[in-house]
Amino acid sequence: QVQVQESGPGLVKPSETLSLTCTVSGASVSSGSYYWSWYRQPPGKGLEWIGYIYNTWSTNYNPSLTSRVTISVDTSKNQISLKVNSVTAADTAVYYCEASGGHWGQGTLVIVSS
Amino acid sequence: EIVLTQSPGTLSLSPGERATLSCRASQSVRSSYLAWYQQKPGQAPRLLIYAASSRATGIPDRFSGSGSGTDFTLTISRLEPEDFAVYYCQQYGSSPWTFGQGTKVEIK
Repeated sequence: QVQVQESGPGLVKPSETLSLTCTVSGASVSSGSYYWSWYRQPPGKGLEWIGYIYNTWSTNYNPSLTSRVTISVDTSKNQISLKVNSVTAADTAVYYCEASGGHWGQGTLVIVSS
Repeated sequence: EIVLTQSPGTLSLSPGERATLSCRASQSVRSSYLAWYQQKPGQAPRLLIYAASSRATGIPDRFSGSGSGTDFTLTISRLEPEDFAVYYCQQYGSSPWTFGQGTKVEIK
């Protein structure tokens, strides 16, 4: 059973880069069996898809974020990473990692504030 | 971008009653790639239904999904106390993947 868990700083300053890691167990990130997605949910609001990576190199991003987002894979650590550049308060949210088929992490809250 | 509109915004029902949630898409959802999620406060979304009508692993059979094209429905045949939550539909047939705004099912 694949499991994922998000980790990273809970506080990021405006204009800096948000960096999160999704650690995968029960599956290999390079297997091609899963799409590895990131989502976010601002406090009290709905869900937003950020993007996914598949087969370690094929990515697809939400056009609303594509100029600021990078999703990549570290096969040596079996991890997925998310980077969002030039963050503002609007990027404050709970960030979720998901392995396709409904395998979600518990989420991690990131607050953008000076 | 496909816009998903869920109705009603809030559904007030009693345990044991039937819940019918609607999700309407602004254009046809390719291959019925439509999912339903349940979310409780402080928790991650839980996949209930994928491909419009297939139940995810471990989901009770009181949850059922139907529909195609632009109109989809999630039905909970008899509400259990643990079913009171927010429900989201999501389409993953066209990029960007999008969600509806959610329907809250609350205890009447």
